[in-house]
Amino acid sequence: GAGVSQSPSNKVTEKGKDVELRCDPISGHTALYWYRQSLGQGLEFLIYFQGNSAPDKSGLPSDRFSAERTGGSVSTLTIQRTQQEDSAVYLCASSYEGRNTIYFGEGSWLTVV
Amino acid sequence: AQSVTQLDSQVPVFEEAPVELRCNYSSSVSVYLFWYVQYPNQGLQLLLKYLSGSTLVKGINGFEAEFNKSQTSFHLRKPSVHISDTAEYFCAVTEKGNNDMRFGAGTRLTVKP
Repeated sequence: GAGVSQSPSNKVTEKGKDVELRCDPISGHTALYWYRQSLGQGLEFLIYFQGNSAPDKSGLPSDRFSAERTGGSVSTLTIQRTQQEDSAVYLCASSYEGRNTIYFGEGSWLTVV
Repeated sequence: AQSVTQLDSQVPVFEEAPVELRCNYSSSVSVYLFWYVQYPNQGLQLLLKYLSGSTLVKGINGFEAEFNKSQTSFHLRKPSVHISDTAEYFCAVTEKGNNDMRFGAGTRLTVKP
C-alpha cells in the first residue's frame, strides 16, 4: 500500500474485554514497530519485528499484551482483559531493513471505559 | 538499549523568534539520529535525520539540527518560527546495524502571535 495502514482507527471497549489492533506496513518493509502514545505523553516503545521475529519484547507493559507478525507483513497487537490505563493511541510504523527512516500509520485510538 | 532525553517538555515562543529544542542521547555504539514532528491531529512525519557526513543537517520547513558526538546531542533549531510550526517534536535514535528506534518524550512547541 501507499502507507502504513492501521485498523481500527478508533475503538471503544469495556474494561475486561480483549482487543486486537492491526497494522499493515508499507509493502516490502521488513521492520515493523509498535509504540504507545498516551494523552500528553511521549512515544512509549512496545515491540519491534525484524521479519516475523521480535528481537526485543521488553517494552510490552504486561503479560496482557502480545504481538505477532506473520508472513513478514501484517502485525496484530492484542491486549487481553483491557484496563482503563490501556487507553492510548497505538502507533505502528515500518521501515526497510538498514534504511532506518521509519514511516508511521495514523494510529489506533483505544478508549477503555 | 539506546535512549533519548528531551530536556524540555514545553517550549512557548513568539512568532518570528528563534527556537532550539534540545535532545541528548545515550548509546555505547555509533548511532543514527532523527527528528519527527506531529502536527495537531496528524500522524508523525520525518523532519530530518543524521546518518553520516556533515554534522549539520537541514530538514523541511527551515529546521536544522547539529550532531555533536562529544556532547551526545542533536539539538533542533529554527531561526524564525511561524504559527504553523506549533506541534509536538520527537527526537529518536537507532544504533547502527540495528533497526530498533527509541523516541524521547517529546517537546511541545507553541508559537504565539
